[in-house]
Amino acid sequence: EAQVTQNPRYLITVTGKKLTVTCSQNMNHEYMSWYRQDPGLGLRQIYYSMNVEVTDKGDVPEGYKVSRKEKRNFPLILESPSPNQTSLYFCASSLEPVAGDTGELFFGEGSRLTVL
Amino acid sequence: RKEVEQDPGPFNVPEGATVAFNCTYSNSASQSFFWYRQDCRKEPKLLMSVYSSGNEDGRFTAQLNRASQYISLLIRDSKLSDSATYLCVVIPGGYQKVTFGTGTKLQVIP
Repeated sequence: EAQVTQNPRYLITVTGKKLTVTCSQNMNHEYMSWYRQDPGLGLRQIYYSMNVEVTDKGDVPEGYKVSRKEKRNFPLILESPSPNQTSLYFCASSLEPVAGDTGELFFGEGSRLTVL
Repeated sequence: RKEVEQDPGPFNVPEGATVAFNCTYSNSASQSFFWYRQDCRKEPKLLMSVYSSGNEDGRFTAQLNRASQYISLLIRDSKLSDSATYLCVVIPGGYQKVTFGTGTKLQVIP
C-alpha cells in the first residue's frame, strides 16, 4: 500500500529534550516536505527536499532541522524543543516535478507534539 | 496581505444546498492551484486540481480567475459527508514553496 508513515503519532516531551519525528514514504517520490498546523494559522511549510541531499527552508524553519540521506526518509529534528513548537506536524511527499496536473501531495497521518 | 486567504467560516448549510468558497492569492506568478479536504485534524487529501479552463468532478466544480487572483470551489447538492475543512493550495511552480490557505470549514446540516 502506497503511504507516508510518521512516527511517533503522539508525543509529550519537555523543553530542551531533543527529539526526532520520522517520516518514510514507499512511493519512490523525489519531493518530501514538513508542515506544522496551528489553529488559525493553517498549514505552514517548515522544510522541503527536492531530492536526496537537497533540502531547503520553508516559511517557518527556525528551531528545526532536517536531513535527506535516503530517498524514502525525511526526519524532522527538534534539537531543543520549546513550548511554541507544540503543534500538529505533517510530512508529505510527491513526484517532482509535478506529475502532470495531479500535483498530489500525499500526507502522513500527522504527529501531535506537546512540549511542556 | 496574506499570500493565500480564505474565509474561515464555518459555513453551515442544509443538505442539498449549493455552497461556494473562494480563495485569493497574492503572488501573480503562481502557477498551480489545488483544493484539499481535511477531516477533523486528519491529514489533508487532494480533492481536485484547479485548471485555467475550470474543471468539474461530479458535484464539485473548481475555477481559476487569474485576473482577479482567486480560485473557487462550488459544491452542489451538499451531503452530510461533505462536512470538512477545505484548504486551497497555491504553488509558484513545481513543488517548492507550497502555501496553504487557513481553510474554510463546512458543516452540512440534516
